[in-house]
Parts: sequence; structure tokens; C-alpha cells
Amino acid sequence: KQEVTQIPAALSVPEGENLVLNCSFTDSAIYNLQWFRQDPGKGLTSLLLIQSSQREQTSGRLNASLDKSSGRSTLYIAASQPGDSATYLCAVIDNNDMRFGAGTRLTVKP
Amino acid sequence: DGGITQSPKYLFRKEGQNVTLSCEQNLNHDAMYWYRQDPGQGLRLIYYSQIVNDFQKGDIAEGYSVSREKKESFPLTVTSAQKNPTAFYLCASSINRGGGYTFGSGTRLTVV
Repeated sequence: KQEVTQIPAALSVPEGENLVLNCSFTDSAIYNLQWFRQDPGKGLTSLLLIQSSQREQTSGRLNASLDKSSGRSTLYIAASQPGDSATYLCAVIDNNDMRFGAGTRLTVKP
Repeated sequence: DGGITQSPKYLFRKEGQNVTLSCEQNLNHDAMYWYRQDPGQGLRLIYYSQIVNDFQKGDIAEGYSVSREKKESFPLTVTSAQKNPTAFYLCASSINRGGGYTFGSGTRLTVV
């Protein structure tokens, strides 16, 4: 059964800092990996979708990488802003369904 | 704009009562899903449907029921058999099983 782990569980950084969120998964036979953002009490907003054949995806200040063989993905956020404060969720889709990590709660201090 | 609409945003259920959560999408997606989110835990799959008139149990289906009579709609009923229904419920859809997911804004269910 696929298991997804996100480290760290919480992260607090000063504004302007570059940061990396980590995601690992146990079964490398995945279709794709998706990063989401969740604000308190809200639904999930898709940030980046990486197909299994891809190595990375970029959107603005966000860059996500995928290394299937090692079962890892990273989400890089450049020049962090207070508005980036949220919980970031990593999810993998394999033959069965989408499995989520527990998330990293990010706080960016002004 | 295309998207997923969940209603209501907040729902209160009395002990022993069945309640139904609505999920509607206009993305023309084939697959739809229901997840439950509890504090400090990841999302857990309740039910999913890949085509109309067909659905499958997820990891925590006990005490829940669904229907998929239309492509656009996938309502979730929380029955009295669900002993701990207080949670945040999220509906999602994808164009197919391996595609990226789009989520609704969620329904917060509280037992009173």
C-alpha cells in the first residue's frame, strides 16, 4: 500500500527566504504527483502536476521536482511571501487512487 | 468558469440522522471522489466513481453511501451508522484515473 510522507510537518521562515518542502513515497509505480495548497478551512488548490515521465514543473516562484526511482519529490518556493503561508500537501496517483501526505504547515513571517 | 461546487459549506447533524452532501462539477470529468479530512491527518478516501452508475469503496466507506446517476453529480450521504462523522469533507474530480485532481471548497459537518 502506497504511503506518502512529508517533512517537515511545520516550517516557519522569514519573508524573502527560499525554502524546500519534501515529499517521499514508498511505491515508485505512480502515474503522477500533484502538489496542493490548503488555506485554513478551505479546499485544496492545485499548484503543480508532474507526470511520471517528467522530472520537474515550474509555475512562477514554485518549482517541483520528481525522482521516481528514489520515491521523492521536492517543492521549491523562491522569495517566500507572507501570502504563501498555508499547508502544502503532496499527493501521488498510482494504480489504485490518490494518496496524500499529512502536509507541511508553512508560516512566512513579515 | 469550470469547477466543482460543494454545498452546503457548513452542516449540522443530530444523532441518528442521515445527511447528504452535494458535489457538482462542470469540468466534464469522468471520475469523482469523496475524501474525509480530520485535524492532523491526511485525506482519506471514502468512495470514488469512474463512470456514471458505478462507484467503488475507498478506505473508510463504512457508514457512508453514494450515487452517480449523472456525470456531473456525486452526492455523499452520511448515515446514522457513521459513529464519528464530524470532519471536513472534500469532493474532487479528474478527467480520468491518472489525471490531476480538482477539488471543491469542502463541507464541514458537525454532530450536535
